[in-house]
Amino acid sequence: QVQLVQSGAEVKKPGASVKVSCKASGYTFTDNYIHWVRQAPGQGLEWMGLINPNGGSTTYAQKFQDRFIMTRDTSTSTLYMALSTLRSEDTAIYFCVRGGEVATGVFDLWGQGTQVTVSS
Amino acid sequence: DIQMTQSPSSLSAVVGDRVTITCQASQDIDNSLNWYQQKPGKAPKLLIFDASNLETGVPSRFSGRGSGTDFTFTISGLQPEDVATYYCQQFSRLPITFGRGTRLEIK
Repeated sequence: QVQLVQSGAEVKKPGASVKVSCKASGYTFTDNYIHWVRQAPGQGLEWMGLINPNGGSTTYAQKFQDRFIMTRDTSTSTLYMALSTLRSEDTAIYFCVRGGEVATGVFDLWGQGTQVTVSS
Repeated sequence: DIQMTQSPSSLSAVVGDRVTITCQASQDIDNSLNWYQQKPGKAPKLLIFDASNLETGVPSRFSGRGSGTDFTFTISGLQPEDVATYYCQQFSRLPITFGRGTRLEIK
């Protein structure tokens, strides 16, 4: 079954870091870019960045460039995102999304989302 | 960054109605536009890709058209299960950007 399965909800204090995983299955892991998108409560969708699982190259949205890191583990077909120096505005659902075979492609498969709550 | 202006932000319609949502890009994006449906508590779902192509398994009452900067998304014959928020997205250039969404309700 083609799917992206994300890790569970996290509650963090301001200033802390969070790491979310996204395990891919049912397709060739290195064929498609993976994007990270977040959605704050009651808000729209915000693109954070992309990673090419084939080689690990990354592109970050400027807003997140200094505290957001995407990595991958090809041995387990798992992607990771880490966000540091968390603030209340980072409270959101974080989605990993399969894109196309090029950096700009169609988002055809979404993970179920991971709720990250930042609260003191 | 390419700005995507989506309208209306919300709309209410009767079952069976024809519903149209528009999306305007701040610069030419050719046909690099997708439409997604998001139901409460769920991840978005791809409905239309490359402006006018119906994703496999999506009902034919959904359609899209446009090119360049102006795009439309239409539901022909609204169904109760279409209650959701709809987003346009450009993927012509990074950063990828989304419209602010249209919340669709049934009257």
